[in-house]
Amino acid sequence: DTGVSQNPRHKITKRGQNVTFRCDPISEHNRLYWYRQTLGQGPEFLTYFQNEAQLEKSRLLSDRFSAERPKGSFSTLEIQRTEQGDSAMYLCASSPSGLGRSTDTQYFGPGTRLTVL
Amino acid sequence: AQSVAQPEDQVNVAEGNPLTVKCTYSVSGNPYLFWYVQYPNRGLQFLLKYITGDNLVKGSYGFEAEFNKSQTSFHLKKPSALVSYSALYFCAVRDLSDMRFGAGTRLTVNP
Repeated sequence: DTGVSQNPRHKITKRGQNVTFRCDPISEHNRLYWYRQTLGQGPEFLTYFQNEAQLEKSRLLSDRFSAERPKGSFSTLEIQRTEQGDSAMYLCASSPSGLGRSTDTQYFGPGTRLTVL
Repeated sequence: AQSVAQPEDQVNVAEGNPLTVKCTYSVSGNPYLFWYVQYPNRGLQFLLKYITGDNLVKGSYGFEAEFNKSQTSFHLKKPSALVSYSALYFCAVRDLSDMRFGAGTRLTVNP
């Protein structure tokens, strides 16, 4: 399967712990996005990478959140000192270059569901 | 800022009947509009998008959407519903930095 993959699929942690999620985009895609989706809502944008450069960050991305894409391939999203309000589905998406930033199609992974106890 | 609204939280249709999932948008400039579907415990699957051109957009699985500039709408349609279409449908609009999603509409197709 050559789609976007995310690991782990589920993560249960205790408040105050750190967690890290991984996203592997479609191999030829150089744009990568992270979103957060809470129950009953649509996904909300967190951050965007073009290759290894993090070009956009949402105000939702507090100081406890950090994302990296060190070699322009896979990406990680780390949440430090987790809070119960961080419980959500974290979605990763990728898109190819070649089209304009506003018109490319984003392809989503299955998501990582985080539960903070 | 760009935004979309999905006025119906839930839509119920009988199998074989036509379905419509509604979306309205608010943008400054050209609207770039998308539809995605989400099945339980799955990521979002791309259905179709409107960038420019023909107002009737055809997409995956036989879905189509009609762009209506005067009504600022982008409704998703299918002539005949199947039970397997039951899922959560999201309309979205591209902003410069990100994709803005609606809250979603849960479609239930009854056998």
